[in-house]
Amino acid sequence: EVQLMESGGGLVQPGGSLRLSCAASGFTVYSEYMNWVRQAPGKGLEWVSVISGADNTHYADSVKGRFTISRDNSKNTLYLQMNSLRPEDTAVYYCARKVEDDDWGQGTLVTVSS
Amino acid sequence: DIQMTQSPSTLSASVGDRVTITCRASQSISSWLAWYQQKPGKAPKLLIHKASSLESGVPSRFSGSGSGTEFTLTISSLQPDDFATYYCQQYNSYWWTFGQGTKLEIK
Repeated sequence: EVQLMESGGGLVQPGGSLRLSCAASGFTVYSEYMNWVRQAPGKGLEWVSVISGADNTHYADSVKGRFTISRDNSKNTLYLQMNSLRPEDTAVYYCARKVEDDDWGQGTLVTVSS
Repeated sequence: DIQMTQSPSTLSASVGDRVTITCRASQSISSWLAWYQQKPGKAPKLLIHKASSLESGVPSRFSGSGSGTEFTLTISSLQPDDFATYYCQQYNSYWWTFGQGTKLEIK
C-alpha cells in the first residue's frame, strides 16, 4: 500500500526557515516525479514544486529562489526546504505523486506569523 | 504559464440534480486535464484524469469531457456525499495549474 506522510510544519516567524519532509512507503521516490502542492486557509490549491525522475526541479514563481525540493533515496523521503518565509506562505503543504497515481499525503500546516 | 479558469465558483443544487462545472485553459492542453473532489480537512481525491477517464472506484454519475481548452465535469444525479469543492487541474507540462475551485452547496 502506498503511503505519503508529511511532517515538519509549524509556526515560524517571517524571514525564517523550515524543512518539510514527506516519507514514502509502498514505492520508491527515486526516479519518480514528486510534487509539493499547498493550500492557504480557505483558499484553493497551488502547485509549488516538482522534482523529476532525472532530478530536474521546477518551482512556482511565488517560491522560486526561496524554496528547494530534494529527495533522499536512502530514506525514501522527499523534502522541501523553505527559506525567507513570508506570511503568504501560510498553508497546508501536501506532497503528491503524478496525477494518475492519485497518491497524496495528509498535509502539514505551515504558519508564518510574528 | 497556463492559466485555468473554472466556473462557477459556487453552485447551489439539490439531491438528484444534474450539474456541470466548466474549466477553460489559456492554451491547448490536449487532454491533460484532471478533476478532483476535496472535502474540508482532507487531501484532494482524483475523480477523472486524461479529461474523461474515470478513476477506479469513482461512481459512474461523474463524467468528464473536452479537449484542447474547454472541459466539463458533469454529475448526472447529485448524491448527498457529492457536496464538496471541485478543482480542475492541467498537467500538460512539468508544472501543474489548478482552477480556482467550485464549491457545490446544498440548495
